[in-house]
Amino acid sequence: GDSVTQMEGPVTLSEEAFLTINCTYTATGYPSLFWYVQYPGEGLQLLLKATKADDKGSNKGFEATYRKETTSFHLEKGSVQVSDSAVYFCARGRDDKIIFGKGTRLHILP
Amino acid sequence: GAVVSQHPSRVICKSGTSVKIECRSLDFQATTMFWYRQFPKQSLMLMATSNEGSKATYEQGVEKDKFLINHASLTLSTLTVTSAHPEDSSFYICSALRGLGYEQYFGPGTRLTVT
Repeated sequence: GDSVTQMEGPVTLSEEAFLTINCTYTATGYPSLFWYVQYPGEGLQLLLKATKADDKGSNKGFEATYRKETTSFHLEKGSVQVSDSAVYFCARGRDDKIIFGKGTRLHILP
Repeated sequence: GAVVSQHPSRVICKSGTSVKIECRSLDFQATTMFWYRQFPKQSLMLMATSNEGSKATYEQGVEKDKFLINHASLTLSTLTVTSAHPEDSSFYICSALRGLGYEQYFGPGTRLTVT
């Protein structure tokens, strides 16, 4: 069935390091793809999204490109900050619903 | 941005009692809201879709008589956990759908502990 698979955490990096969080999906057709972020003590927030193949979503220095060939939507950031510490969820749309991956906890050390 | 609130943020109840959780869209109207359950270190599991003025649609495996959903207005949906048991202890999150497409706005969640 439809699913989203993302790399398990926790991921621990030093400040200013390069970040990649892998995400792949299974689906029929071309679903919309999302990355959500959950900061400590807060609700989920949409970080970025892409609605069709080759689209690149970007926000707050984060980027992800919709790769149809590899069914992937990897999240990247060139230089992470301590404030980026959070849980990141990859997700895909299905009708009006959203299917989430399991989440990846990111720790950034100063 | 759009704001969705949940109340209460934390609740502790005794086994066998019922608990109501409210989800409100504060600055927009939402004909559709969603209820999720999140287990520790796991993903959000969609429980049900709440539609204003009609019955909720439950996902497979979710007991509709145990998790009562009422979407009484365009800004309020409630989830009532009836006859709660310790295994119902979890983090419950709601979201509200704004406009067309998949733009869901999430509440901060409610931590339910059943003793």
